[in-house]
Amino acid sequence: QQQVKQSPQSLIVQKGGISIINCAYENTAFDYFPWYQQFPGKGPALLIAIRPDVSEKKEGRFTISFNKSAKQFSLHIMDSQPGDSATYFCAASGGATNKLIFGTGTLLAVQP
Amino acid sequence: NAGVTQTPKFQVLKTGQSMTLQCAQDMNHEYMSWYRQDPGMGLRLIHYSVGAGITDQGEVPNGYNVSRSTTEDFPLRLLSAAPSQTSVYFCASGERGGEQFFGPGTRLTVL
Repeated sequence: QQQVKQSPQSLIVQKGGISIINCAYENTAFDYFPWYQQFPGKGPALLIAIRPDVSEKKEGRFTISFNKSAKQFSLHIMDSQPGDSATYFCAASGGATNKLIFGTGTLLAVQP
Repeated sequence: NAGVTQTPKFQVLKTGQSMTLQCAQDMNHEYMSWYRQDPGMGLRLIHYSVGAGITDQGEVPNGYNVSRSTTEDFPLRLLSAAPSQTSVYFCASGERGGEQFFGPGTRLTVL
């Protein structure tokens, strides 16, 4: 079963708009929630991450919102730019093994 | 630092052939892992290792073997390749429970 559920599968946003990607998890032992960005032909790279002791983390135009009670977290990209066009993956890890489990990904296209 | 390196970048196999995907890291990370990436499926964990001599299964381990004799290297072996193993394979290393650094990937096609 999918331990980390991600939506939407694809997203089209106009330049300057806000991109929002959502993830939900089941395992309450998860305590690390990163977002990775992947460009075509490249490996994923860490964009921003959060731990459950805070409800929000912001780095530049990228913000993670975290809702522990709902077991959900989301990525907000403010003032989206064409260079942000990529595939975004949420992930989660924790517990005894700390295995990093990924969502299915969101293909973001920012139109100029 | 080279980071995480993977070889080969591309490979074509026939059904039943065996091969080893190589992965090496020079960041002295204890934690290493292998993922496969398929359209619509995201990144799925195959095997991982928390240190030399210690490996464990991920979400989709069937058909793959791993070993970890050194901190730097974590090879992935396909004993008898099947068309269902056509995929892009990524190796990663990092701190346990923290940021993972990914290699450039190996694109494998099994005919």
